[in-house]
Amino acid sequence: QSVLTQPPSASGTPGQRVTISCSGSSSNLGSNTVSWYQQLPGTAPKLLIYSNNQRPSGVPDRFSGSKSGTSASLAISGLQSEDEADYYCAAWDDSLDGVVFGGGTKLTVL
Amino acid sequence: EVQLVESGGGLVQPGGSLKLSCAASGFTFSGSAMHWVRQASGKGLEWVGRIRDKANSYATGYAASVKGRFTISRDDSESTAYLQMNSLKTEDTAMYYCARRQCSGGSCHFDYWGQGTLVTVS
Repeated sequence: QSVLTQPPSASGTPGQRVTISCSGSSSNLGSNTVSWYQQLPGTAPKLLIYSNNQRPSGVPDRFSGSKSGTSASLAISGLQSEDEADYYCAAWDDSLDGVVFGGGTKLTVL
Repeated sequence: EVQLVESGGGLVQPGGSLKLSCAASGFTFSGSAMHWVRQASGKGLEWVGRIRDKANSYATGYAASVKGRFTISRDDSESTAYLQMNSLKTEDTAMYYCARRQCSGGSCHFDYWGQGTLVTVS
């Protein structure tokens, strides 16, 4: 059972917009920023969004993030086949004194 | 180019020990907090622990699942972080990643990840 809650799966067709939610509590998302990571099959995670809504250089602007209170979301617009991957949210948890992750969402491009 | 290269994984019996290494290059290792994250096959990411930099007294922190069994250390002269794993259990079987945690303006995230090293306890 992960501290941050994500839907296990999401799907969309090419060109569509999909969103992935991440729900937490006051000790993590409620008091710290969220980051998102993309993990393509057989590879290490890669930073996608940091500080709630910032994109590292090289990440397409099709990816966007937001946070409100104890919930966050990742949006992917103009869905492409190469976006098929697992997506994880993460944040520092003040009560646990460590980083907590969501359980991951497997995105399928139909 | 930033690189994090883990090594030291392998097959170990329950109750045994293993020491993983994470060799860094391409950034100022001595000023960086280094973390370990693991992932069991087909499962999600799990934070293992971290070691902060000299300015923060090399403070360490661990997940409850490994506290008392795992120890993180670093050698800034070698730009290498270590994960000493003792009293290994079958549930410690996973791919182990090291990652740099970057903080700015009160916001922290993992900006660089290694390719991982596989630990099998059986």
